[in-house]
Amino acid sequence: KAGVTQTPRYLIKTRGQQVTLSCSPISGHRSVSWYQQTPGQGLQFLFEYFSETQRNKGNFPGRFSGRQFSNSRSEMNVSTLELGDSALYLCASSLAPTGQATEAFFGQGTRLTVV
Amino acid sequence: AQKVTQAQTEISVVEKEDVTLDCVYETRDTTYYLFWYKQPPSGELVFLIRRNSFDEQNEISGRYSWNFQKSTSSFNFTITASQVVDSAVYFCALSEAGGTSYGKLTFGQGTILTVHP
Repeated sequence: KAGVTQTPRYLIKTRGQQVTLSCSPISGHRSVSWYQQTPGQGLQFLFEYFSETQRNKGNFPGRFSGRQFSNSRSEMNVSTLELGDSALYLCASSLAPTGQATEAFFGQGTRLTVV
Repeated sequence: AQKVTQAQTEISVVEKEDVTLDCVYETRDTTYYLFWYKQPPSGELVFLIRRNSFDEQNEISGRYSWNFQKSTSSFNFTITASQVVDSAVYFCALSEAGGTSYGKLTFGQGTILTVHP
């Protein structure tokens, strides 16, 4: 069974640009959540999608957005990139939203560097 | 609001030593789930265990064991006879069953474990 796939693995962008990251969940999983990991702030929740609907959103500015498609694949977008957006972005999938007695399985992440 | 504290930032041991990683959590919910994840240098978080708030039984899986105590809001993780391959960052996480925490994991800051040969 294939795991969670995130593409691309590495990205270098310039301040002010926008970026789109992709996540393909484990087959059959309908919940996808996104996390940002930085040395200073640790792992922080960005948002969660279930059946194409955003169910929860973390404390991030509106420049961070996402969506989920009918096949459960998800994308997140960051517009007007800032240096502080440099981070490892992790996607997780689960059968149901975490907190509904299911564990989340993570991808290897996308390492975004903003210069 | 939920919170997870891993007071140990870094732990260094020699192979075959036992090591315990501490985790203390805060939540107002009566129904919640606790998790441990391992993050090797490759970056992905590897799921180790999930516990729900109604099950305080300790669990053992090979060299790994978990001690869940609601009275002290702790969910500690012990590795017995540590090996070099256990070197990684370990995260404790909490998920509440409903409300504004829907679909969200709250992580501790992580403990960097280094096992020396």
